[in-house]
Amino acid sequence: QVQLQESGPGLVRPSQTLSLTCTVSGASTSSDRHYWSWIRQPAGKELEWIGRVYTSGSTNYNPSLESRVIISVDTSKNQFSLKLRSVTAADTAVYYCARGSIIITTKWNYYFDSWGQGTQVTVSS
Amino acid sequence: QSVLTQPPSVSGAPGQRVTISCTGISSNIGAGYDVHWYQHLPGTAPKLLIYGNTNRPSGVPDRFFGSKSGTSASLAITGLQADDEADYYCQSYDNSLTAYVFGTGTKVTVL
Repeated sequence: QVQLQESGPGLVRPSQTLSLTCTVSGASTSSDRHYWSWIRQPAGKELEWIGRVYTSGSTNYNPSLESRVIISVDTSKNQFSLKLRSVTAADTAVYYCARGSIIITTKWNYYFDSWGQGTQVTVSS
Repeated sequence: QSVLTQPPSVSGAPGQRVTISCTGISSNIGAGYDVHWYQHLPGTAPKLLIYGNTNRPSGVPDRFFGSKSGTSASLAITGLQADDEADYYCQSYDNSLTAYVFGTGTKVTVL
């Protein structure tokens, strides 16, 4: 059974860098069949995809956050990480890590087949 | 603001059928990208219910049925049960935003 667990500070000061780690068990971040994503949800708002990393280290980011985000993978620890710099109160949210899989129909489609339970991050002084 | 619109809430009695719509536009569902559905109880990990418009992962009961037509998709839940009470989200890709996008979410209440 695939399990993902987010970890990191629950409180970040404005203008600082938010750093989270996702530890994966029951699956390998070395897999060439999956991507590893970060997703967040501010209170009362919809889910927002932040970005993803492949086992090779290649990344794709949501253009709305791309200038502030770095996602990386450490296959030796079976973990992947999120860094979001210059945070403001608008970055306060529950942050989820998730495993992504692909289904090819008329297009290449990507969905999230396993998720962590999420971690609350609050940006406040 | 989400590009995938869902009704805020739907409700039904135990055993009844409810349907949740997910309305997109020409740059996402209308462009041919598949729709996927998730069930979420706050405080827990979201759970994949449907992928590729109609496919159920192993372990998801066949009471959950997905469909897609044009710029919209739907999730139907038949034989509604108390533990179906949760938030449900659709997800697709938008080639104008170049990002994976989620719906606004629907809360299902079992009366």
